[in-house]
Amino acid sequence: DTGVSQDPRHKITKRGQNVTFRCDPISEHNRLYWYRQTLGQGPEFLTYFQNEAQLEKSRLLSDRFSAERPKGSFSTLEIQRTEQGDSAMYLCASSLAMRPNEKLFFGSGTQLSVL
Amino acid sequence: LAKTTQPISMDSYEGQEVNITCSHNNIATNDYITWYQQFPSQGPRFIIQGYKTKVTNEVASLFIPADRKSSTLSLPRVSLSDTAVYYCLVGDRDSNYQLIWGAGTKLIIKP
Repeated sequence: DTGVSQDPRHKITKRGQNVTFRCDPISEHNRLYWYRQTLGQGPEFLTYFQNEAQLEKSRLLSDRFSAERPKGSFSTLEIQRTEQGDSAMYLCASSLAMRPNEKLFFGSGTQLSVL
Repeated sequence: LAKTTQPISMDSYEGQEVNITCSHNNIATNDYITWYQQFPSQGPRFIIQGYKTKVTNEVASLFIPADRKSSTLSLPRVSLSDTAVYYCLVGDRDSNYQLIWGAGTKLIIKP
């Protein structure tokens, strides 16, 4: 399988716990994006990387969220001190092209439930 | 802030052609129009992208008028498996052209 993979597919946690998600992009893709999606809404941009550099982060993103892409390959998204409002699907996408509106390839997401 | 407007939902029947129209009045000169499809519990999947006139691939056609203020995604002879949410996107000139996703159009195909 050469697509974008995300792990885990599902995560249930208690409020206040920390969680970490992993994304493995398509190997030759240099851009990696994280999105969050709640039921009935479109994906909401969180952050993106160009290789290992985090180039943009949503102004709406809480300081409890952090993302890394240490070697320009896989990425992790960590949420500290989770809250019930963090319950959502977390999507990772990767792309190769450099121009705006490049084609994104998405993973199947990690569904987070905060109890 | 580039935004798009599309119907919240549509119904159709198997074998019919479905057209979903999207308006994007503030599209930038160098923006492309991109459509994605999303099934429940999956990430969105790229369908088609265009700049002007007409683009066709094995899945769909995209019609863009000369003023580029709208676009129409055309799905020929739909089947039950085309039931999904369809998103129309253009780049956001104020955010390094990051895509802004609306709620999409929920398309339901009936037998």
